[in-house]
Amino acid sequence: AQSVTQLGSHVSVSEGALVLLRCNYSSSVPPYLFWYVQYPNQGLQLLLKYTSAATLVKGINGFEAEFKKSETSFHLTKPSAHMSDAAEYFCAVSDRGSSNTGKLIFGQGTTLQVKP
Amino acid sequence: ETGVTQTPRHLVMGMTNKKSLKCEQHLGHNAMYWYKQSAKKPLELMFVYNFKEQTENNSVPSRFSPECPNSSHLFLHLHTLQPEDSALYLCASSQDPGGTEAFFGQGTRLTVV
Repeated sequence: AQSVTQLGSHVSVSEGALVLLRCNYSSSVPPYLFWYVQYPNQGLQLLLKYTSAATLVKGINGFEAEFKKSETSFHLTKPSAHMSDAAEYFCAVSDRGSSNTGKLIFGQGTTLQVKP
Repeated sequence: ETGVTQTPRHLVMGMTNKKSLKCEQHLGHNAMYWYKQSAKKPLELMFVYNFKEQTENNSVPSRFSPECPNSSHLFLHLHTLQPEDSALYLCASSQDPGGTEAFFGQGTRLTVV
């Protein structure tokens, strides 16, 4: 069965600083991995996805993530934080096991605070 | 026009009321999902529909009743809810059940009083 763990429920950075949000996964099959962002009272918006192509994935708004199989990680980074990046971020893995429903299994979420 | 549209955006209902949440996707997708997002809890998958057929019910109480009349529409019928059912209900769709990304609606904020 697939699962996702996000390390740190809250991350605070200064504007212009590096953003690093951590995600580790568990999967019995090669995983499909996703990062979503959620602004207050909104739905989830896809930032980027990994589907077994290039291990370094670039997404929207300057975010990128690197798939590291040896570390079972898929951390999200952005070189320079902007105030508008303040939101909640979710890492997810797709259910591609025996049931293969395509459902997404989400981590607990990380709230990113950006200080001026 | 957003790809996945949910109505209403906000809903307040009493415990004896019956209401329905509506989701419509304009993306030509074949799979649709209901998720529940409560404060301080991870997103919980409730139901999965593939090609209009329910393929998963994640131990959801019977006071929540989904309906998928066609691949573009998904409903969640609500009756005799409890205050702990107050949450953000998110609808999502994906091209197929094979693991591609899901596209989410903006959600319905439900408050049960």
